[in-house]
Amino acid sequence: SQQGEEDPQALSIQEGENATMNCSYKTSINNLQWYRQNSGRGLVHLILIRSNEREKHSGRLRVTLDTSKKSSSLLITASRAADTASYFCATDASGGSYIPTFGRGTSLIVHP
Amino acid sequence: DGGITQSPKYLFRKEGQNVTLSCEQNLNHDAMYWYRQDPGQGLRLIYYSQIVNDFQKGDIAEGYSVSREKKESFPLTVTSAQKNPTAFYLCASKGQETQYFGPGTRLLVL
Repeated sequence: SQQGEEDPQALSIQEGENATMNCSYKTSINNLQWYRQNSGRGLVHLILIRSNEREKHSGRLRVTLDTSKKSSSLLITASRAADTASYFCATDASGGSYIPTFGRGTSLIVHP
Repeated sequence: DGGITQSPKYLFRKEGQNVTLSCEQNLNHDAMYWYRQDPGQGLRLIYYSQIVNDFQKGDIAEGYSVSREKKESFPLTVTSAQKNPTAFYLCASKGQETQYFGPGTRLLVL
């Protein structure tokens, strides 16, 4: 069961531009997390936002959460070529064991 | 990649053969997970374990088996019943709120 779905599937921008990717989900959640995956590597946790939070910042990352629309967005400001990676959202549904579900990811390419 | 190691990095399987992927963590985490990732796809859950000596099937458990005899270790066996095993396999453990992933094992079929 794949709850989170990222949009767009692919994003190509120039260095210095901002990159925005979105995540939609279907059921109530405790929290939503964003991960990054460089090609052929494991996932690295970026940021967590809880269901009672609306916005969170970490360095050049800004995450928003709209529980009424069941959606989240990840903004990377002043992108760098090193930001080239796939970005995934993972949702932790309310209740029960911690079994996060991942979307298909957004593939971001930042051209130098 | 945190304190999780996976080995080998690449693994080749012959038809009809069972192969075992190793996953070890030194983070003292109770919960561990195995995911499969196909090209351009998200992560699909194979098995998870919330505690030693206990594990549960995920969404795509058929053709796979696991054991959890030690807190640090959660090996995954890809059996001959898995007809399409070529994929990237990721192991993870869960800390307080987030998951920590290993570097992955790429399984290829000869």
